[in-house]
Parts: sequence; C-alpha cells; structure tokens
Amino acid sequence: EVQLVESGGGLVKPGGSLRLSCAASGFTFSSYSMNWVRQAPGKGLEWVSSISSSSSYIYYADSVKGRFTISRDNAKNSLYLQMNSLRAEDTAVYYCARDMELRNWGQGTLVTVSS
Amino acid sequence: QSVLTQPPSASGTPGQRVTISCSGSSSNIGSNTVNWYQQLPGTAPKLLIYSNNQRPSGVPDRFSGSKSGTSASLAISGLQSEDEADYYCAAWDDSLNGAVFGGGTKLTVL
Repeated sequence: EVQLVESGGGLVKPGGSLRLSCAASGFTFSSYSMNWVRQAPGKGLEWVSSISSSSSYIYYADSVKGRFTISRDNAKNSLYLQMNSLRAEDTAVYYCARDMELRNWGQGTLVTVSS
Repeated sequence: QSVLTQPPSASGTPGQRVTISCSGSSSNIGSNTVNWYQQLPGTAPKLLIYSNNQRPSGVPDRFSGSKSGTSASLAISGLQSEDEADYYCAAWDDSLNGAVFGGGTKLTVL
C-alpha cells in the first residue's frame, strides 16, 4: 500500500524558515516524480513544486520561486521542501503527492506563518 | 483567481446525474490531460479521474470524465449522499511550466 507521511509543519514567524519532509513507502520511490501541493485554510488547492524521479527536472509556482527549494533523497525514500522567507500567505496545509497525476496524497502538515 | 475555471457550487438529489465543468486554455487543457480530485470534508484530496477519462482502481464507474478542446467535465451519475465533497480539476500548463488547479466545486447532495 502506498503511504506518504508529511512532517515538519508548525508555527513560524514571518521571514522565518521551515523544512518539510515526506516519507514514502509501498512503492519504488526512485521511479516516480513527486510534488508538493498546498491548501490555505478554507481555500482551494495550489500546486507548489514538482521534482522528477532523478531530480533532473524541478519546477516551482511563481508564488514560491526563489524562496522554496524542493529536493529528494531516493536512498531514504524521502521528499523535502525547504521554505525560506516565509510570509503570512504561505499559511496552509502542505501535501506531498506522487507522480504527475498526483495519484496518491499524504495526510498533510500544517504550516502557520504568524507573528 | 484560478487558471482553470470551475463553478463554485453544484447540487443534485440522490440518484440524479450532475456534471461539473472545467474551463481552461490552449496552454493547459488544450494541450495536456486533465485530472479530477475529490476532497471529502476534513480529508486529503483523492484522485478520481486521470488522463481525461480514466478511473483509478476502486473508483466507482458512476464517475466519468471527458475533455473537448480547452474544456473538461466530470459527470457523477446515481448521485449518493457520500458524494458530497469538493471537486477539483487540474492540468499541466506549458506556459507556466507548472500544474494548475480549478478553484474547486462544492457538491451538495440535497
């Protein structure tokens, strides 16, 4: 069974940093592209970033470009999102999702940016 | 403002057929496949339809998808109370070099 478990969320002040992790199991992690998608409270889904299976291709939403960095460690079956210069509008539940169809999702981790 | 346009709400009675539309442009729906997601209250989204009209295993055949030009639609037949959820369409956008979502449609089963 495919499992994706996010961690690393929490309360951070504007301008601060946070690193999210996504632990994957139940599939050959190194064979799939991975994504981060977020959802602000009471709002819709917003794609954040994608990374190809070998990290050769990386894409970001304009709203996070230059501030967020996606990475992965295929040996550890893990996906990461380094978030710097956080803003109030980054407050959201962050989900990791498998492959370009977003076929499987984790339960999400809440990031709150507030002073 | 979302790149893909969905109606904010839809409704139907049990047993009815409802459709949800998703409108885009040549850079997204017009040139890439569309996926649909169902988000039940308080839960993570779930893939409902991929590649315009394909159902993952476990998704009832009451759910179907279609695409024509720069628009797509999700149809739900034999509406059930457990179908009450938010539904999102998504596609890759070649101009933005990223995935784009619709704003979501809240389906109410009356």
